[in-house]
Amino acid sequence: QKEVEQNSGPLSVPEGAIASLNCTYSDRGSQSFFWYRQYSGKSPELIMFIYSNGDKEDGRFTAQLNKASQYVSLLIRDSQPSDSATYLCAVNPRNDDYKLSFGAGTTVTVRA
Amino acid sequence: EADIYQTPRYLVIGTGKKITLECSQTMGHDKMYWYQQDPGMELHLIHYSYGVNSTEKGDLSSESTVSRIRTEHFPLTLESARPSHTSQYLCASSESWGTSNQPQHFGDGTRLSIL
Repeated sequence: QKEVEQNSGPLSVPEGAIASLNCTYSDRGSQSFFWYRQYSGKSPELIMFIYSNGDKEDGRFTAQLNKASQYVSLLIRDSQPSDSATYLCAVNPRNDDYKLSFGAGTTVTVRA
Repeated sequence: EADIYQTPRYLVIGTGKKITLECSQTMGHDKMYWYQQDPGMELHLIHYSYGVNSTEKGDLSSESTVSRIRTEHFPLTLESARPSHTSQYLCASSESWGTSNQPQHFGDGTRLSIL
């Protein structure tokens, strides 16, 4: 079992809709969770991080964390064509080790 | 936000050459990382460092080596490049404060092609 799992997609949404991305992780002790956006041929760019159960909102992005169910999700509201990218979920399995485990990513396509 | 720089951005070179990929950050982050990523594929951690004179191998076996003589500098070296080393190499850094792990910030990457 992979440490971090994501649906590979592609996830196609119309412009203005909500894109919902899910990520599950295997280590119940994980404490830190990150969402990165990666455009084709570019490096990952941090868009959100969340440490506590519940929702965290930043502009059009909302991260949701449920440690009991071991999942973290990302909602993109009012999706724009510029949101078309691969979204990577990253998890820090242990607080005493700073390495991140990355999922394979979900590719999102926003159609105009 | 971290300022992290990688050079060169692109490198096409012949088999057998010695290559050094440079990575520098100006934020004083103590933690630095090297990842390898093939097009459309996952990120794989190949090396990391938690401070000066500290280096560790990552989860993916790599024939490369790294050094950390200065906080801001974390170069990666391939002694004898082979076509199998063709990939994108991404450098990242993070700081540590508080009780939670801080985000990693990435450089623009080096796209390496070995002929």
